[in-house]
Amino acid sequence: QEQLVQSGAEVRRPGASVKVSCKASGYTFTDYDINWLRQAPGQGLEWMGWMNTRGNTGYAQKFQGRVTMTSIISINTAYMELSSLRSDDTAVYFCARGQSAWFKVWGQGTLVTVSS
Amino acid sequence: DIQLTQSPSFLSASVGDRVTITCRASQDISSYLAWYQQKPGKAPKLLIYGAYALQSGVPSRFSGSGSGTEFTLTISSLQPDDFATYYCQQHNSYPLSFGPGTKVDIK
Repeated sequence: QEQLVQSGAEVRRPGASVKVSCKASGYTFTDYDINWLRQAPGQGLEWMGWMNTRGNTGYAQKFQGRVTMTSIISINTAYMELSSLRSDDTAVYFCARGQSAWFKVWGQGTLVTVSS
Repeated sequence: DIQLTQSPSFLSASVGDRVTITCRASQDISSYLAWYQQKPGKAPKLLIYGAYALQSGVPSRFSGSGSGTEFTLTISSLQPDDFATYYCQQHNSYPLSFGPGTKVDIK
């Protein structure tokens, strides 16, 4: 079945970077965009940006300059790296398969905790 | 950027009740609206896209309607599995955006 499996929870100090992976299976990885979203504790969903396997990306202005989305086609894996972490970046980060900009397939989420 | 609001933010209902959640967009998004259900500790689940298209496998008690700036998600007869938080999302233009959510709780 179509699925996205994300890497495990991470803890970082303020100012550090984190890189989360998202491995696709059950469908042709190159046929769809991958989007990244996040959800702070007890809060709603926030869209961070999208990428495709041709190297095109689009980032929400809030994250411009701090986020990088990449992929390695040979292993069907997408990555999201967020730098200059702050305490308010503590959240569950989700990857989701874009399909005309709605999301049918989601990863299970990766908790990133930023704490000194 | 397109802002979405939802009402109510919290709803208390009983099994068998008809439930309606409203989502309003800050500008015309035609029919480019999706609805998701999220349970604690889980990823959101797609229910509706394109304002009214039911995602395969989603029970028919869920329905969506609306266009332009006002949309509704209706659950015709609330079931125990439906107690969750519901989000709308506009897929008309980037940056994509979500409503703040509506939590449906047991009365």
